Amino acid sequence: DIQMTQSPSSLSASVGDRITITCRASQSISYYLNWYQQTPGKVPKVLIYGSSILQTGVPSRFSGSGSGTDFTLTISSLQPEDFATYYCQQTYRTPPTFGQGTKVEIK
Amino acid sequence: EVQLVESGGGLVQPGGSLRLSCAASGFTFSNYDMHWVRQTSGKGLEWVSAIDTAGATYYSGSVEGRFTISRENAKNSLYLQINSLTAGDTAVYYCAREDLGGSGGLGDWYLDLWGRGTLVTVSS
Repeated sequence: DIQMTQSPSSLSASVGDRITITCRASQSISYYLNWYQQTPGKVPKVLIYGSSILQTGVPSRFSGSGSGTDFTLTISSLQPEDFATYYCQQTYRTPPTFGQGTKVEIK
Repeated sequence: EVQLVESGGGLVQPGGSLRLSCAASGFTFSNYDMHWVRQTSGKGLEWVSAIDTAGATYYSGSVEGRFTISRENAKNSLYLQINSLTAGDTAVYYCAREDLGGSGGLGDWYLDLWGRGTLVTVSS
């Protein structure tokens, strides 16, 4: 199975900060990388698919990049509703696998 | 309203079985590949199984041979039969709909609609 490793596992940031989360695949996955956001008590919500394509309705402060093995999710200006756990997911090969998650907390 | 609603979870003893259901509404269920994803308490997400529109099935290594995914398009329903349960199967089980990214690549898909989940607890 393809292993997905996110870093950091958690981070503390303030409203307005720019943050970046990294996801690394154990082998090349082309651009088949999705990002999901999960706020406490809620179900996961897709933010970005295909490494960089913003899902409809997702604010433009979210962006994704990368291909091959290294990917990033960037939030340009953190908002109160962005404090959540973020997961990457590869869909290059079955089984699709998720990263362990990055929890973004309020500083 | 476009939604997925899971049911069938509960407390079961090790070695026991459950059948999870997922009722779809608000979209043409038969047109979509469907997935089950689980999440242990306070932990991350683990993909469990998928079924495509033609009925082909896929499983994670940790559940293959114990879990069976199926669908009944006439009832807009997805199912997961889970057998030989262990404590490691304790989790919230979500059903999710697959949408395509549009490039035509086999891996160009994502889960765009999730149910609220049903909790399976395996304990004696």
